[in-house]
Amino acid sequence: ETGVTQTPRHLVMGMTNKKSLKCEQHLGHNAMYWYKQSAKKPLELMFVYNFKEQTENNSVPSRFSPECPNSSHLFLHLHTLQPEDSALYLCASSQDYRVAGGNEQFFGPGTRLTVL
Amino acid sequence: LAKTTQPISMDSYEGQEVNITCSHNNIATNDYITWYQQFPSQGPRFIIQGYKTKVTNEVASLFIPADRKSSTLSLPRVSLSDTAVYYCLVGAGTSGGSYIPTFGRGTSLIVHP
Repeated sequence: ETGVTQTPRHLVMGMTNKKSLKCEQHLGHNAMYWYKQSAKKPLELMFVYNFKEQTENNSVPSRFSPECPNSSHLFLHLHTLQPEDSALYLCASSQDYRVAGGNEQFFGPGTRLTVL
Repeated sequence: LAKTTQPISMDSYEGQEVNITCSHNNIATNDYITWYQQFPSQGPRFIIQGYKTKVTNEVASLFIPADRKSSTLSLPRVSLSDTAVYYCLVGAGTSGGSYIPTFGRGTSLIVHP
């Protein structure tokens, strides 16, 4: 247990569906992240939130829409996805996005997404 | 951000010591070096972090030479459960700046019986 939970753990959706991924951290952290990990590829940073404000959007298509209502919760809303969006979606948190020095991230178990 | 270079894969046997070296020639003065471990279909897990010289915890040791242009993760007496991908990250945040964690392809370590 890392203190970061993600639901659902597995999700199968059609290209016309709308679904949401949820992430919750119980660590009192202020920064939260969404990553995408496709098969045989490095983790790709998608979004960063610090103190509920989005600070990074790594050129992610608009069919992925993040939401951060508070520092403990992060959502990723999905709509009209493509089969190539099938991947493991990982959420992470850290103490602060702008700390002097190291910034250890704690990752959730991920959501395995399959787009048909 | 300092770019990192690691071997793509390594093989070892149970009980051996494994050393994985990461090159980061463009490391900045305030950058820290962090290593993560990732098992298949799981999120990465923090292993160790250091700034200079040597850092040791219950899992691993991290050796950083004086010029800090490389670092070596040392795993003592590996077991089959150490089979995973190991990532080296370099970076830091400064007041008013930002730290964007960037994962490369990592090193796939396979431990054989």
